Amino acid sequence: DGGITQSPKYLFRKEGQNVTLSCEQNLNHDAMYWYRQDPGQGLRLIYYSQIVNDFQKGDIAEGYSVSREKKESFPLTVTSAQKNPTAFYLCASSIYGYSGNEQFFGPGTRLTVL
Amino acid sequence: GNSVTQMEGPVTLSEEAFLTINCTYTATGYPSLFWYVQYPGEGLQLLLKATKADDKGSNKGFEATYRKETTSFHLEKGSVQVSDSAVYFCALSTAGTGNQFYFGTGTSLTVIP
Repeated sequence: DGGITQSPKYLFRKEGQNVTLSCEQNLNHDAMYWYRQDPGQGLRLIYYSQIVNDFQKGDIAEGYSVSREKKESFPLTVTSAQKNPTAFYLCASSIYGYSGNEQFFGPGTRLTVL
Repeated sequence: GNSVTQMEGPVTLSEEAFLTINCTYTATGYPSLFWYVQYPGEGLQLLLKATKADDKGSNKGFEATYRKETTSFHLEKGSVQVSDSAVYFCALSTAGTGNQFYFGTGTSLTVIP
């Protein structure tokens, strides 16, 4: 079955540690996205990538980094510079180039920084 | 710029009641419009979409019509079920800029038996 996988589902880290969240898709989509969701709030875009080896900052990129070395993979690193990293992180992908193309979402990773 | 304004929740309805969740948007160009649903602890799932004015998206008894004149895309369902309890997000996408989506803040719906 085609889809997006995110791992792990729950992640606990100590303050000051970097942590990397995994996102893999087998939908052959060009574009991939990372969002952050806080309780009672909408989705805020962290980074997106339209093509391998290229990515763009979203609205809240500070304290985060990404890479896109393969079409299928778009890992997100939450660095120690992110002041409030505890949140629910969602990865998505889509076919690029037409506004009517939906974004497909993974199941999410809940990060808790202790 | 692009933005979506959604009716604030939470919304609580009895089973078989009529549902409306309001959504209005501001966009440059000609956006496509979407409704997504999120169940607790999960990612978002596409519920329905419309890509041009006057289009009606529908799925699982939910409907929404793309109204360009009122810049709206209100979600409706004639008879809600307990299983419809979830958070609903309205979103828009415009061509270019990486197919970015702009999401509303979400509306939490609880349906009680």
